[in-house]
Amino acid sequence: DQQVKQNSPSLSVQEGRISILNCDYTNSMFDYFLWYKKYPAEGPTFLISISSIKDKNEDGRFTVFLNKSAKHLSLHIVPSQPGDSAVYFCAALFGANSKLTFGKGITLSVRP
Amino acid sequence: KAGVTQTPRYLIKTRGQQVTLSCSPISGHRSVSWYQQTPGQGLQFLFEYFSETQRNKGNFPGRFSGRQFSNSRSEMNVSTLELGDSALYLCASSRLAGSSYEQYFGPGTRLTVT
Repeated sequence: DQQVKQNSPSLSVQEGRISILNCDYTNSMFDYFLWYKKYPAEGPTFLISISSIKDKNEDGRFTVFLNKSAKHLSLHIVPSQPGDSAVYFCAALFGANSKLTFGKGITLSVRP
Repeated sequence: KAGVTQTPRYLIKTRGQQVTLSCSPISGHRSVSWYQQTPGQGLQFLFEYFSETQRNKGNFPGRFSGRQFSNSRSEMNVSTLELGDSALYLCASSRLAGSSYEQYFGPGTRLTVT
């Protein structure tokens, strides 16, 4: 049972444009949602998180939007840079003492 | 401030042996989680420790165990190694601050079982 879904396996955008990475979830009890960036053979790098009581959180070029009624969240990267090319994972957490449930990831390619 | 550190970074072991991996969390973080990452299964949760107590556990056999010390440093042990245990083992430390939750990963320990 995949509770966190990233249905698009890849995304390609032009440098300077906006990248929108989507994530859906099925468990309405999730309390926090996190986004990670990952390069091959490395650990995930934490980017940004959002509490289920909020609908938006912003940190520099990264903004996460949460739509609880649709059980959907998205990560916006503006402007996209070639160094943003990596695999991005959405993850969700139930309570603050629980495990992260990860999506399968989406590969972002930013073209110069 | 320093991030999550893991030692060693690489290990090669033989089937049947045991291995101990170490993790030092970010200063001030009291929660440490361990994950196994493989190409086929992705990131899978092993267990989580908080204040020296295991408070969450994933679906791994009892050969996988861990502990946390009073300084929040954590160790993970795998006994009777199998070929399928070859993976990148990641440690993460986390904190809850108000309505914000953050979990940071270390660089991982690459374990190869031959």
